[in-house]
Amino acid sequence: DVKVTQSSRYLVKRTGEKVFLECVQDMDHENMFWYRQDPGLGLRLIYFSYDVKMKEKGDIPEGYSVSREKKERFSLILESASTNQTSMYLCASSPHRGLVTEAFFGQGTRLTVV
Amino acid sequence: AQSVTQLDSQVPVFEEAPVELRCNYSSSVSVYLFWYVQYPNQGLQLLLKYLSGSTLVESINGFEAEFNKSQTSFHLRKPSVHISDTAEYFCAVSLLQGAQKLVFGQGTRLTINP
Repeated sequence: DVKVTQSSRYLVKRTGEKVFLECVQDMDHENMFWYRQDPGLGLRLIYFSYDVKMKEKGDIPEGYSVSREKKERFSLILESASTNQTSMYLCASSPHRGLVTEAFFGQGTRLTVV
Repeated sequence: AQSVTQLDSQVPVFEEAPVELRCNYSSSVSVYLFWYVQYPNQGLQLLLKYLSGSTLVESINGFEAEFNKSQTSFHLRKPSVHISDTAEYFCAVSLLQGAQKLVFGQGTRLTINP
């Protein structure tokens, strides 16, 4: 089975802190994604990556950055956390570069910024 | 750009009743279509997908969805629901050309009443 592991289920951070959310997949997938999930808004894409050291902006990249130094690991960085970044963050991976035929999701990280 | 609209944010039904969750999409190119399910406090799991071939696709737990190209729809149905189907359901699309990403609808919360 494909496994996508997010390093924390719950995080509480203070406004202005730098926050790292880590995601690891174990199936040698090409593509990795970061989404945030908010009630009534569904899942919105923050950033995605189809190769090591490559990244593409999604629909809501402002206030976020990402890092993909190794194929299996995709990190989401909040440079200076703000209360409007309180949300559920979901990482996903998919196998084939160029097409998304299926995506596998981690359990999510619920981030609260106080 | 593609978009996905789930017409109902909440759908309450009685146990053993039929249910339909509606999904419409907008895209200028061909798409793949997906339904994901999220049980309480869990990540997203793939329920079913349409990539090609028969326009009617089925899941292992009795759900089915039909791709209707002329109406740009991919509605999800189940003839008789169970309490365990209580969850949030997300419709998603990915493009066969262009950006390699999965775009989600807003989600539909399905509540089953005994």
